[in-house]
Amino acid sequence: QKEVEQNSGPLSVPEGAIASLNCTYSDRVSQSFFWYRQYSGKSPELIMSIYSNGDKEDGRFTAQLNKASQYVSLLIRDSQPSDSATYLCAVKHNFNKFYFGSGTKLNVKP
Amino acid sequence: DGGITQSPKYLFRKEGQNVTLSCEQNLNHDAMYWYRQDPGQGLRLIYYSQIVNDFQKGDIAEGYSVSREKKESFPLTVTSAQKNPTAFYLCASSDSTTNEKLFFGSGTQLSVL
Repeated sequence: QKEVEQNSGPLSVPEGAIASLNCTYSDRVSQSFFWYRQYSGKSPELIMSIYSNGDKEDGRFTAQLNKASQYVSLLIRDSQPSDSATYLCAVKHNFNKFYFGSGTKLNVKP
Repeated sequence: DGGITQSPKYLFRKEGQNVTLSCEQNLNHDAMYWYRQDPGQGLRLIYYSQIVNDFQKGDIAEGYSVSREKKESFPLTVTSAQKNPTAFYLCASSDSTTNEKLFFGSGTQLSVL
């Protein structure tokens, strides 16, 4: 079983719609969760971090965490073509080890 | 400007050759990491270091070696034992005491001639 699992997609949404990206993780003691955006050929950039159960909003982005279900998600409201990228879910384990999912490719169609 | 600098941006390796990827950071971060990314895949951890003169193997350390002689520098050597080295290599750092986020360099694309 992989440490972090994501649906590889591609996920296609029309411009202006809500994109929903999901991630599950295997280590129950994980405390820190991150969403990174990666454009093709570029390095990942941090979108959101979340540490406690519930929702965390930042502009058009909302991260949701449910530790009981070992589930973290990212919602992107009013999706724009510039949001088209691969979104990586990352989980921090003990000893400062970060594990990444394989990423979900998002296509936002104009 | 503070950040992480990786060089070179592109690197070509001949069969049987060792090559070294450079990673330098001026963020004063204690922890540094090397990840490998294959096309359409996520990031896999090669090595990481929490402090100077100490480092640990990640999930795919075979065929790679690292050193951490200075806080700012964490070079990765891809040895001839790594039979499939073609990938995008990413260096990252974090301040494990206050800021848990990973900051990434711009990456090195390694290809085999």
